[in-house]
Amino acid sequence: RKEVEQDPGPFNVPEGATVAFNCTYSNSASQSFFWYRQDCRKEPKLLMSVYSSGNEDGRFTAQLNRASQYISLLIRDSKLSDSATYLCVVINQAGTALIFGKGTTLSVSS
Amino acid sequence: DTAVSQTPKYLVTQMGNDKSIKCEQNLGHDTMYWYKQDSKKFLKIMFSYNNKELIINETVPNRFSPKSPDKAHLNLHINSLELGDSAVYFCASSQDLGNRNTEAFFGQGTRLTVV
Repeated sequence: RKEVEQDPGPFNVPEGATVAFNCTYSNSASQSFFWYRQDCRKEPKLLMSVYSSGNEDGRFTAQLNRASQYISLLIRDSKLSDSATYLCVVINQAGTALIFGKGTTLSVSS
Repeated sequence: DTAVSQTPKYLVTQMGNDKSIKCEQNLGHDTMYWYKQDSKKFLKIMFSYNNKELIINETVPNRFSPKSPDKAHLNLHINSLELGDSAVYFCASSQDLGNRNTEAFFGQGTRLTVV
């Protein structure tokens, strides 16, 4: 089983849509979780950390379910500028590296 | 000022050659990394250094040798390049990953093409 698994998509949605991405991780001892965003031919950048209680940043909401080892990202009112690849990231058990999922590609169209 | 800078941005070279990619960070971070992103866009950790010491060496051919002259620099040297080495190589840095709010900053990537 891969350490971090995501549905690769692509997700093609119209502007204004709500879209949700899911991710599962294999190591139950993992403590820190993130969503990164990567635009085409660019470097990954942190979108948001994911906390056990769930957290929101504007149109973005991240949730963590430790029992199911499941992380989600919800994007409301999608914008054209949200088109990118969203990477689910977990810190490895030793706390020495970020482990990336393969990413979920989102394309928002007008 | 660029936080994590790596050079060159593009590198096209022939099989069998030796090449280096340089990386520098001006964020004062203790930890630096090299990641490889293959044609399927999967970002895989290669090496991790903390205060100039190697702490992760994933299953990477020994043709790849990282060098950290100081904690602000982590260079990657590749010997006897092969076609399968073609990928985008990202350098990154962060503070201690024990803090759940720690953010990793990435360089712009080096697109290596081996012909």
